[in-house]
This record gives sequence, structure tokens and C-alpha cells, in this order.
Amino acid sequence: DGGITQSPKYLFRKEGQNVTLSCEQNLNHDAMYWYRQDPGQGLRLIYYSQIVNDFQKGDIAEGYSVSREKKESFPLTVTSAQKNPTAFYLCASSISGRNQPQHFGDGTRLSIL
Amino acid sequence: AQSVTQLDSQVPVFEEAPVELRCNYSSSVSVYLFWYVQYPNQGLQLLLKYLSGSTLVESINGFEAEFNKSQTSFHLRKPSVHISDTAEYFCAVIREGSYIPTFGRGTSLIVHP
Repeated sequence: DGGITQSPKYLFRKEGQNVTLSCEQNLNHDAMYWYRQDPGQGLRLIYYSQIVNDFQKGDIAEGYSVSREKKESFPLTVTSAQKNPTAFYLCASSISGRNQPQHFGDGTRLSIL
Repeated sequence: AQSVTQLDSQVPVFEEAPVELRCNYSSSVSVYLFWYVQYPNQGLQLLLKYLSGSTLVESINGFEAEFNKSQTSFHLRKPSVHISDTAEYFCAVIREGSYIPTFGRGTSLIVHP
């Protein structure tokens, strides 16, 4: 079955360390997204990409970076500049075009050691 | 710009009772509307969507939502809830001409036996 795979499910970061969250999809979707979820705040968009080798900042991009070298993969790096990284991170994808619903992975929970 | 308001952060109900989760949006252009469900430690799953046509849309597990353009609402209803419906529910809006959704902050549905 097609879907989105996020790994790892749990991740711990030390002070001053960069960590990378993996997101892979086999749905042949062009568009991919990263969201941050905090209790009571819903989903906030970090970065999104509509095609390979192109991506745009979302509402809370500071302290994060992404790459889109392959259609299937959209890794997110949480840098040491992100001072409050503890959250649940969700990756999503969708068919390119208007009004398409998103498909989500099962998330990565990042905590500070 | 658009915004999505889910007025209730938490809705407790007893099993087999009816429930309504409210969603209101603001937008100066036409919109497409979605409800997603999130179970603990999982990603979001599409529950139902309104793109065009009949204003009443239904899901396979008994939920329905009605698009009301004059009241800019898309409330989610179920006539009789089960324990297994306990989850977080998110309303999302995509405005005409865009493909990036705006999510509400979510409503936690808690079904008591």
C-alpha cells in the first residue's frame, strides 16, 4: 500500500545539536509539507515543496531547513538555532493542484535531553 | 487571507449521544473544506471534504458535515458516537487559487461510556 513513512518515531536532541527527520512517500505526489504540532495550537506550516529542487518557507521556518532532491523524499533538519524544538512533527503530501486533501505520516516526536 | 475557528477545544459526550463539532471560517474568496481526524500519536486522516455540489457530505463511519456559505460554517455531526470516536478533529480550509490549507486548532472529542 502507498503511504508516507516518517522516521524515527521518537528523537532526542542535545543542546547545540542538529537533527534530521526523515519523510518518504510512495504515493507519487508532487507536493510535500512539514508541520509542527504543539498542544492546543493546531498545525503550523514549517516548509513546503511543490516540485523537486524547490521549496518555500511556511509560517515558522526559522531554525529549520529542508531539501527536496528526490520526489519521494523531503527531510527536515531541526538546527541548533531552533530554541524550542520539543514538538510533534508531521510530514504530509498531496497531489499537485488546487483543492487536494493531504496525506499524513504518523509523525516524529522530538524532545530535548 | 483566511482563518479557521474551532470554537470548542474539548467536547465531552456520552456514548450513543449525538455530537456536533463546530468550524467557522473567514475568506474573501471561495473555499474548499475538509475535516481530518487524529488518533493519539498518529498523523491526520481525511474524514470528509467539500469541494463542490451537494452541501451535505458524509463519511463512511457515520459522520457528516454541511457547508453553509451564508454562515461560513462547516460543522461536523454524528447522530450516535462510539468510544472509538475519541480523537482530535481538525477543520481545514483551502481558498480558491491556493493549495496550502489553513487548519483550525482542533477539537478534542472525548466519548465517555
